[in-house]
Amino acid sequence: KAGVTQTPRYLIKTRGQQVTLSCSPISGHRSVSWYQQTPGQGLQFLFEYFSETQRNKGNFPGRFSGRQFSNSRSEMNVSTLELGDSALYLCASSFHRSAPRNEQFFGPGTRLTVL
Amino acid sequence: DAKTTQPNSMESNEEEPVHLPCNHSTISGTDYIHWYRQLPSQGPEYVIHGLTSNVNNRMASLAIAEDRKSSTLILHRATLRDAAVYYCILSGNNDMRFGAGTRLTVKP
Repeated sequence: KAGVTQTPRYLIKTRGQQVTLSCSPISGHRSVSWYQQTPGQGLQFLFEYFSETQRNKGNFPGRFSGRQFSNSRSEMNVSTLELGDSALYLCASSFHRSAPRNEQFFGPGTRLTVL
Repeated sequence: DAKTTQPNSMESNEEEPVHLPCNHSTISGTDYIHWYRQLPSQGPEYVIHGLTSNVNNRMASLAIAEDRKSSTLILHRATLRDAAVYYCILSGNNDMRFGAGTRLTVKP
């Protein structure tokens, strides 16, 4: 069974631009969660999608948004990029809803650099 | 929000047991305790989780204090492949709250 895939793996953008990251969950998994990882703040939960609906949201500004498609693939978007958005963005999938209570499978991440 | 506190780093010898502690003194009654580990250039990998009782799986054991204010991840025989950052995490209804993690070094 293929794991969680994320594209692209690396991305360089400039301040003010917007970016879209993609995540394909493990086949059959319906929950997709997104996390941001930085050296200063560590790992932080962004949001969770289940059945095309955002179920939970972390403490991030509205510039961070996402969506989930009927095939459970998910995208997250960051608008008006700031230098502090440079991070590793991780996607995780789970079969069950309320993914934080269940085992999640993480992808390798997308490394975003904002210049 | 309740957070976890872990030592920054620990060392172990290969083939010896490792006990990784985690303090979560402000845990709520509905928070699960999860452990994940992260190898360099990879996403986190699930290790184990529990609510109140001790848990065992093929990778590790999780010992949860009776008052749930602390827990310990036990690797029974450390191997070089166990070298990673180990995260103790509280998960409630709506999110997962990661601690800073413990970097485990395994010496041959």
